[in-house]
Amino acid sequence: AQTVTQSQPEMSVQEAETVTLSCTYDTSESDYYLFWYKQPPSRQMILVIRQEAYKQQNATENRFSVNFQKAAKSFSLKISDSQLGDAAMYFCAHSTNFGNEKLTFGTGTRLTIIP
Amino acid sequence: EAGVVQSPRYKIIEKKQPVAFWCNPISGHNTLYWYLQNLGQGPELLIRYENEEAVDDSQLPKDRFSAERLKGVDSTLKIQPAELGDSAVYLCASSTRTGEDTDTQYFGPGTRLTVL
Repeated sequence: AQTVTQSQPEMSVQEAETVTLSCTYDTSESDYYLFWYKQPPSRQMILVIRQEAYKQQNATENRFSVNFQKAAKSFSLKISDSQLGDAAMYFCAHSTNFGNEKLTFGTGTRLTIIP
Repeated sequence: EAGVVQSPRYKIIEKKQPVAFWCNPISGHNTLYWYLQNLGQGPELLIRYENEEAVDDSQLPKDRFSAERLKGVDSTLKIQPAELGDSAVYLCASSTRTGEDTDTQYFGPGTRLTVL
């Protein structure tokens, strides 16, 4: 069974600074997907970034990038130039290479942006 | 393009009453998911549909929960009778197996259920 662990319940960062959120996972599969989702107080789960395990290149989306370490089963999210709108719960999630199967989520990291 | 639509956004009921949630997925998305999110936790899958077929309902408490996806588009999740422990957020998501967004799940805004 897949598991996803987020060891940082809360993080804070000064506006315009950089912050890294940690995620580790466990799977017996060799091919899979990893995701970071953002959930603001509105509860809408918003996709931030996605990584296919077979790709060695780390995914990037504007100010968001990941550090994917497949051997270590680590998938951290770096947010550069933090903005007030980045404040939210961030969830790391994993799905198998049959990606339309269920997502397994971590417990989330609450990110606070300090003006 | 419209996202996943859910209604209602909030629902307050008394225990033992029935309740139903509705979801309209992104157009063209064949796979539809219902997740349950308890406070302070990540979502957990309740049921997954491929078109109109429920292909994974192993986590659905079938004694009180039911779901349907008639015509392979909209879906309804029902609880009858509701219990206090059912208070949570119910999220609907959809995905497709074609194009750049293959296998990426997009979520609706969720329904917050409070059972009194």
